[in-house]
Amino acid sequence: EPEVTQTPSHQVTQMGQEVILRCVPISNHLYFYWYRQILGQKVEFLVSFYNNEISEKSEIFDDQFSVERPDGSNFTLKIRSTKLEDSAMYFCASSVPGQGTGYGYTFGSGTRLTVV
Amino acid sequence: DQQVKQNSPSLSVQEGRISILNCDYTNSMFDYFLWYKKYPAEGPTFLISISSIKDKNEDGRFTVFLNKSAKHLSLHIVPSQPGDSAVYFCAASSLSGTYKYIFGTGTRLKVLA
Repeated sequence: EPEVTQTPSHQVTQMGQEVILRCVPISNHLYFYWYRQILGQKVEFLVSFYNNEISEKSEIFDDQFSVERPDGSNFTLKIRSTKLEDSAMYFCASSVPGQGTGYGYTFGSGTRLTVV
Repeated sequence: DQQVKQNSPSLSVQEGRISILNCDYTNSMFDYFLWYKKYPAEGPTFLISISSIKDKNEDGRFTVFLNKSAKHLSLHIVPSQPGDSAVYFCAASSLSGTYKYIFGTGTRLKVLA
């Protein structure tokens, strides 16, 4: 079964450093997403990406965040200057609206980001 | 602004009995709903969905019920098995737009053997 692959599984970084979280979506999917889950809290939408541009972003997704699809297969989330409160599990997801099991997404297994 | 709420943070059920997980939403524009199951250190796994044109969808041991007038949906698991122990999230979306999902806070289900 096709998978969404995320690397690394765990990233520790110092406050103020830049991090890049990587995702390889399912190859025939068209929509790409980043979500995050702070420990013990709900899964929160960050950004959606379609046709090589951001289609929607949440208020969490401020100027410190950026996404890109540099080579047609990878989908990256960059945090320019990490803060302690950025510590969370970050989930990538992809989907093909109109197909698949009821418009459901496929999530990756996540990257745990720890900012120290 | 919690548009999707799961008011029970945890639920314990005996093996073989029914598990009922509840979810309420406030946004009347939502027209598609899903349940996801999540194990620790894994991404959410799609379980079952329902569109607003239906009031029930069934898949094996899992049934989702939608009450649009009450803005309420529930997930029934019958019979419950120990392997069902996980955190269950309901999520809602509007099919117009970017297909983003708004998640509830989750309910931790523990099925006791």
